[in-house]
Amino acid sequence: QKEVEQNSGPLSVPEGAIASLNCTYSDRVSQSFFWYRQYSGKSPELIMSIYSNGDKEDGRFTAQLNKASQYVSLLIRDSQPSDSATYLCAVKGVPSNTGKLIFGQGTTLQVKP
Amino acid sequence: DADVTQTPRNRITKTGKRIMLECSQTKGHDRMYWYRQDPGLGLRLIYYSFDVKDINKGEISDGYSVSRQAQAKFSLSLESAIPNQTALYFCATSDLNRGNTGELFFGEGSRLTVL
Repeated sequence: QKEVEQNSGPLSVPEGAIASLNCTYSDRVSQSFFWYRQYSGKSPELIMSIYSNGDKEDGRFTAQLNKASQYVSLLIRDSQPSDSATYLCAVKGVPSNTGKLIFGQGTTLQVKP
Repeated sequence: DADVTQTPRNRITKTGKRIMLECSQTKGHDRMYWYRQDPGLGLRLIYYSFDVKDINKGEISDGYSVSRQAQAKFSLSLESAIPNQTALYFCATSDLNRGNTGELFFGEGSRLTVL
């Protein structure tokens, strides 16, 4: 079992819809979770971080964390064609002071006009 | 100019050749990382470094070596390249002294093809 798993997609949604991206992780002691966005041919960039159970909202993005189910998700409201990218879920590795992140394989999102 | 610079950006080489990928940063961060990205496998950590005297293996270090020449420079070497090392390589930095945000700052990537 991979430490961080995502559905590779592609996930296709129409413009204006809600895109839901999901991620599961295997290490129960994980405390820090991140979503990175990577446009084709570009480097990843951080868009959301979440540390506590529940929801965290930032503009059109909402991250959701459920530590009991070892599940983290990213919702993108009012999806735009510019949101088309690969979204990488990442979990902070152990020991946490190394700063190293363990990434899922990424989910490709396509937003169709 | 990019804060995290990788050279070369693209390289094609042959099996058995020695290759060095270089990374330099102007962010003043202490931690530096090398990841490789393969289709369907995401980003996997090769090596990471806390400072010039502290080098640590990641999950896929076999076949690779690194050198932290200065706080700002971290190089990745393939002593004898093989085709399955064909991948996109990213250097990244972080600064945990500013809080445990977990944010990595990535370079633009180095695409390596081993024939």
